[in-house]
Amino acid sequence: EVQLVESGGGLVQPGRSLKLSCAASGFTFSNYYMAWVRQAPKKGLEWVATISTSGSRTYYPDSVKGRFTISRDNAKSSLYLQMNSLKSEDTATYYCARHRTMGILGYFDYWGQGVMVTVSS
Amino acid sequence: DIQMTQSPASLSASLGETVTIECRASEDIYNGLAWYQQKPGKSPQLLIYNANSLHTGVPSRFSGSGSGTQYSLKINSLQSEDVASYFCQQYYNYPYTFGAGTKLELK
Repeated sequence: EVQLVESGGGLVQPGRSLKLSCAASGFTFSNYYMAWVRQAPKKGLEWVATISTSGSRTYYPDSVKGRFTISRDNAKSSLYLQMNSLKSEDTATYYCARHRTMGILGYFDYWGQGVMVTVSS
Repeated sequence: DIQMTQSPASLSASLGETVTIECRASEDIYNGLAWYQQKPGKSPQLLIYNANSLHTGVPSRFSGSGSGTQYSLKINSLQSEDVASYFCQQYYNYPYTFGAGTKLELK
């Protein structure tokens, strides 16, 4: 059974940093692209970052490019999201998702339960 | 960026009814479209990928169709457990974009 368990969320002040983690199990982690998707309270879904199987390629939307960094440790079956220079609009539930790709693009076939990040002074 | 316009924003239907949710892309996305279901307080779950392929374990009353810029999700014989929000996502190109969602309630 595919399992994705996020951790590391919490309350953080604007301008500060936070690092999220996602522990994966139930599948061969190194064979899959992985991603982070977020959802602001009572809002829709927003893709945040994608990383290739080896970690050599990463993709971000403009809203987080230069501030967020996605990484992975295949030996630990773990995914990370380093978030710097946080803004109030980054307040959201962050989901770790397994990424099914055709080439470098695709959809999200399994999602974690999510972790809440609140950016507020 | 490719804009995804989803309609309706909310929908009220009766048990056993058939409902349809639409998603329109701002340009041709060549069937690079997925549908997700999100029940209250839960994480999203994949329903459909490649516009019309059913994800493993998803009931056959769910189906997807469309091409070009117009896509739809149909739920046949609505069940109480289908009460949820539904989102479309294009993956034809980066950045991935989602529709704003459709909230489905029972009448």
